[in-house]
Amino acid sequence: AQTVTQSQPEMSVQEAETVTLSCTYDTSESNYYLFWYKQPPSRQMILVIRQEAYKQQNATENRFSVNFQKAAKSFSLKISDSQLGDTAMYFCAFKGETSGSRLTFGEGTQLTVNP
Amino acid sequence: DAGVIQSPRHEVTEMGQEVTLRCKPISGHDYLFWYRQTMMRGLELLIYFNNNVPIDDSGMPEDRFSAKMPNASFSTLKIQPSEPRDSAVYFCASSLADRGANSPLHFGNGTRLTVT
Repeated sequence: AQTVTQSQPEMSVQEAETVTLSCTYDTSESNYYLFWYKQPPSRQMILVIRQEAYKQQNATENRFSVNFQKAAKSFSLKISDSQLGDTAMYFCAFKGETSGSRLTFGEGTQLTVNP
Repeated sequence: DAGVIQSPRHEVTEMGQEVTLRCKPISGHDYLFWYRQTMMRGLELLIYFNNNVPIDDSGMPEDRFSAKMPNASFSTLKIQPSEPRDSAVYFCASSLADRGANSPLHFGNGTRLTVT
């Protein structure tokens, strides 16, 4: 079974600064996919960024980028130029190639961006 | 595209009552998932369907929980009888046929269930 661990329950950052959220996972599958979702106070789950494990290049979406270290089974999210609207719970999620589309989520990290 | 639509947004009920949560997935999506979110246990997968057929219901906590998908555009999650420990946010999500990272889950806004 796969597990996803987010070791930082809470983090805070000043507006316009950069913050990195950590995520590690455990799997025996050779191919898989990783995601970061954002859950603002409205509680909607919003896809932030995605990464295929077979791609060495780190995914980037505007101010959001990942540092994917396959050997270390690490998938951290970097948010640059933090904005107040980035305040949310962030979930790391794993989908194995044999998982049948299901996602396994980490515990979440509550990020607060301070003005 | 209206996204995944869940109803009701909030539900308050008394212990012992039947609760039915509803979900309309995104048109054309092949998979439908029911997740439960609590502070203690985070996001848990309860059950998921592929082309209206239940594939894995191992996450359904007890026989009090049941889910159906009578057609491609509608699913229900029923709790009968409800208990206070069922209080949580229940999410429905849908996705296209599995194309790896190109078929992420799209979530509804969730139903917050409170059982008193």
